[in-house]
Amino acid sequence: EMHLVESGGGLVQPGGSLRLSCAASGFSFEDYAMNWVRQAPGKGLEWVSSINWNSDVTVYADSVKGRVTISRDNAKNSLYLQMSSLRTEDTALYYCTKEVSDLYCSDGSCQPRKGFDVWGQGTMVTVSS
Amino acid sequence: NFLLAQPHSVSESPGKTITISCTRSSGSIASNYVQWYQQRPGSSPTTVIYQDNQRPSGVPDRFSASIDSSSNSASLTISGLKTEDEADYYCQSYDSNNQKVLFGGGTKLTVL
Repeated sequence: EMHLVESGGGLVQPGGSLRLSCAASGFSFEDYAMNWVRQAPGKGLEWVSSINWNSDVTVYADSVKGRVTISRDNAKNSLYLQMSSLRTEDTALYYCTKEVSDLYCSDGSCQPRKGFDVWGQGTMVTVSS
Repeated sequence: NFLLAQPHSVSESPGKTITISCTRSSGSIASNYVQWYQQRPGSSPTTVIYQDNQRPSGVPDRFSASIDSSSNSASLTISGLKTEDEADYYCQSYDSNNQKVLFGGGTKLTVL
């Protein structure tokens, strides 16, 4: 069975940093694109970032671009999100998600993406003084 | 980027059929796959539909989805409603110009 387990959340002051981790199991991690999606308390889902299998392609939401870095270690079956210059509006439950397939891009165009099929349980990030 | 508009809430009785819409604000709804995610209260989201109309294993065939180019919208249909279907439902697609991921605002389904 496929599993994603996030960790690393916590309470951090505005302007601070945090590194989230996601441990994957039950599937061949290196074959799939991965994402971070967040949900502020009482709000809807907001995509944060995507990464393809070999980290050649990374994409960020405008709301976090320049402040977060997505990365992965295929040898450790792990996905990461390094967050810095955190703001109160970054307070949310952060989910790790697996895509149905890899994000394959070549010569400036990418194959159609087919959605997420596995979600973790989330790790809570609270930005407050 | 475009927007995906969903009704804020819908309600229906057990055993009935409900359809939730997801309308794309610009660009063709058919140009990128649409997914649907279910989020029960206090739980993580789960995937009920991917790649426009594909059900992951374990999702009952009471869940189906379609794309309508004439209205530029996607729809999730749940038949034989059960109280356990009560949840928030989110549509999701992609912007192929920049590979960004977009979610609809979510629809709260009440089964009463």
